[in-house]
Amino acid sequence: AQKITQTQPGMFVQEKEAVTLDCTYDTSDQSYGLFWYKQPSSGEMIFLIYQGSYDEQNATEGRYSLNFQKARKSANLVISASQLGDSAMYFCAMREPSSGSARQLTFGSGTQLTVLP
Amino acid sequence: EADIYQTPRYLVIGTGKKITLECSQTMGHDKMYWYQQDPGMELHLIHYSYGVNSTEKGDLSSESTVSRIRTEHFPLTLESARPSHTSQYLCASSEYRVGVNGIVFGPGTRLTVL
Repeated sequence: AQKITQTQPGMFVQEKEAVTLDCTYDTSDQSYGLFWYKQPSSGEMIFLIYQGSYDEQNATEGRYSLNFQKARKSANLVISASQLGDSAMYFCAMREPSSGSARQLTFGSGTQLTVLP
Repeated sequence: EADIYQTPRYLVIGTGKKITLECSQTMGHDKMYWYQQDPGMELHLIHYSYGVNSTEKGDLSSESTVSRIRTEHFPLTLESARPSHTSQYLCASSEYRVGVNGIVFGPGTRLTVL
């Protein structure tokens, strides 16, 4: 069963506008963590933001915020004021304690974001 | 700055050659991982290690092997490279329980087997 689902293979946004990248997850654990990573064309994976399942506030890091809706099991990434440098692949990931230490993070299939000038 | 290093960054090699992809981290992390990723596609865990002398196979079957003789070093070896091994290989590390900073990734090695 797919643990992390990213339904948008590709997204376009105009520079300076906000964009939301969708992520839904599936877990029976009460304690879990959600992560977003950015992968530019150069290939490295850059950690962006973390949300714990017990965190009451939505996580924010600069222009990145996480729209966490626990009941809907969604953890969408919101990028405000998009910049050309935001063009990249974005991966959502989840940490579950019951998954065993083997699969500490389960990754989604990614969303390719293109920021248009 | 992430303190995890991979060499080489790019490698083009002929079929049948033996190759070793190097990965080192200076964060003292117990756990290390190798992921394989085709361009624009999802990451697949191929190997991981809990610590010294511990190695396990991941989700995706791979003909590569790994070793963990030192905490900071986690090399990946292909005894006989084939064109099907062409991919990007990402090394990563983390604390034993992945914390709020997630898994730290290296810059990756892009392997092309001719």
